[in-house]
Amino acid sequence: NAGVTQTPKFQVLKTGQSMTLQCAQDMNHNSMYWYRQDPGMGLRLIYYSASEGTTDKGEVPNGYNVSRLNKREFSLRLESAAPSQTSVYFCASRRGPALGQPQHFGDGTRLSIL
Amino acid sequence: AQKITQTQPGMFVQEKEAVTLDCTYDTSDQSYGLFWYKQPSSGEMIFLIYQGSYDEQNATEGRYSLNFQKARKSANLVISASQLGDSAMYFCAIGGSNYKLTFGKGTLLTVNP
Repeated sequence: NAGVTQTPKFQVLKTGQSMTLQCAQDMNHNSMYWYRQDPGMGLRLIYYSASEGTTDKGEVPNGYNVSRLNKREFSLRLESAAPSQTSVYFCASRRGPALGQPQHFGDGTRLSIL
Repeated sequence: AQKITQTQPGMFVQEKEAVTLDCTYDTSDQSYGLFWYKQPSSGEMIFLIYQGSYDEQNATEGRYSLNFQKARKSANLVISASQLGDSAMYFCAIGGSNYKLTFGKGTLLTVNP
């Protein structure tokens, strides 16, 4: 019962390098999300996809792009990594728009940019 | 816009005692939901409990209950009979009609033996 799977779990990049964080869910959920977590800041939404074929900006989208590849997969791309993007990144999914549906999270990707 | 405020950066509780973690919210939505998540030191986010804005009864899930006071815009999490494994960061979140959740900054709970 995998749930939400994120790869990689850890990554170190140099400033200016690009990288794609992968996320896949096997729960047949419609909505998917990318968050970043920084100390003392809680979780902040980067981008989300309410359903297959749609993506929307969240609170902190600058420097990131996303692709909803299919219903299962939602990737996050850093085109030119900056030290300010050092963070823990979480992917989440949710069955649908009903208020009572919780988001289910992956285990996170710890990303360091030197 | 939605906002969550968790005013307690850290809390301490003795094992087997109850503890209340505070959460206040602000929203312009008429219908909304409140969620609590637990993040242990291992890092994963674990969903604990949900309360809908129109639910008349406070939500309960095992040792977790949500003290929902709509007029005060508060949704406090109560953990009864604390266990050492309850030591973790706890996040309150609010969701409305737009698919998104807004999280608070969290409260770090430490359970002492």
